Amino acid sequence: GAVVSQHPSWVICKSGTSVKIECRSLDFQATTMFWYRQFPKQSLMLMATSNEGSKATYEQGVEKDKFLINHASLTLSTLTVTSAHPEDSSFYICSARGGARTFSYNEQFFGPGTRLTVL
Amino acid sequence: GENVEQHPSTLSVQEGDSAVIKCTYSDSASNYFPWYKQELGKRPQLIIDIRSNVGEKKDQRIAVTLNKTAKHFSLHITETQPEDSAVYFCAARPGDYKLSFGAGTTVTVRA
Repeated sequence: GAVVSQHPSWVICKSGTSVKIECRSLDFQATTMFWYRQFPKQSLMLMATSNEGSKATYEQGVEKDKFLINHASLTLSTLTVTSAHPEDSSFYICSARGGARTFSYNEQFFGPGTRLTVL
Repeated sequence: GENVEQHPSTLSVQEGDSAVIKCTYSDSASNYFPWYKQELGKRPQLIIDIRSNVGEKKDQRIAVTLNKTAKHFSLHITETQPEDSAVYFCAARPGDYKLSFGAGTTVTVRA
């Protein structure tokens, strides 16, 4: 199956700093990438959807100036949490999907997640 | 948009018994229904999925049923084992759009 990696797997930062999380599709071209946030004992909440070369589409209530998403290539998307605060502490998971008529089109492939802790 | 409701929120079963999780969806355009298993601190893993042109699908101890008329689908796990303990999420996707997830069911299999 398709493999998606995320880096880092965990990060601790001070309040007010910015943190960048990378999501890579290792063996397929990810036409679309999704970024989710998951708080303890809760479901995955979609933050934004990005298509390669286009601006991300943010879900209602997600601040696009705080959560910067870049999908500059078919194998890499980044999420930057700017001026992070303790309430941004969460598990961030990316997911990728390939283009139509490819093996990676029909399902979404999830990365292993990044645990962000803001002190 | 699509709204997916999932029940129960927690489920405790004796090892060897069956577990059933039910989900309902709101958007009649949804045509793809995956189920994910997530262990603590790990990524969601696709365990089975079904499309709207099929009413039932089975993979060893896991089966999913879909009732398009009633807009609900269910996950059935038979002969449960301790390693089945995890959080299970259902999801629905209308057409080519994004997945909408249920709230999750924490399954505990008692040895």
